Amino acid sequence: DTGVSQDPRHKITKRGQNVTFRCDPISEHNRLYWYRQTLGQGPEFLTYFQNEAQLEKSRLLSDRFSAERPKGSFSTLEIQRTEQGDSAMYLCASRAIGRRRDRGSGANVLTFGAGSRLTVL
Amino acid sequence: SQQGEEDPQALSIQEGENATMNCSYKTSINNLQWYRQNSGRGLVHLILIRSNEREKHSGRLRVTLDTSKKSSSLLITASRAADTASYFCATDALGTYKYIFGTGTRLKVLA
Repeated sequence: DTGVSQDPRHKITKRGQNVTFRCDPISEHNRLYWYRQTLGQGPEFLTYFQNEAQLEKSRLLSDRFSAERPKGSFSTLEIQRTEQGDSAMYLCASRAIGRRRDRGSGANVLTFGAGSRLTVL
Repeated sequence: SQQGEEDPQALSIQEGENATMNCSYKTSINNLQWYRQNSGRGLVHLILIRSNEREKHSGRLRVTLDTSKKSSSLLITASRAADTASYFCATDALGTYKYIFGTGTRLKVLA
């Protein structure tokens, strides 16, 4: 297991179609995050999971967005009825949980995948 | 906006010079991290500084943290063309496990 994998790397779709992205985190990492990044901006938090539980969801995540992590391993992010404004890079990241949040820098570090770039025509 | 602010937004320097970028954030934090992103790629972790630390070094990187001003700076010494990338700070606020990223500084190092 060499890192966080995301699939597909690129997706071009027509407005109104549904798209799904998959993220496979580092196997021993039990926290998984989704971010959205548009050109020239920093990553914007969308949601995160601890194991299979979705613990927080940003207001950016409209009803058209849903994320799951059914077995606490891989995660999917689905966008329904895509709009041109959904065009962005969707980044997945994972991290381990330390026994204490500040014990050792490794447990607090996010490992990112290469991202899934969505273009909505 | 949920994002912190970074400045400058863009920085262009000659190889061998030092590059300094700054980050401001809004809430009390557990730690602050800096990440690097090459064009079109995912982010890579560079360095983490805890809220009770004021300065940290890693190779050519030096990070400072001023929690009273809610700000941090990243210094890259003796820059190289390969340092050309975007740099982002990220904070995790007390009581949460989510990380909020800044708007980024786009660094260009000219050979």
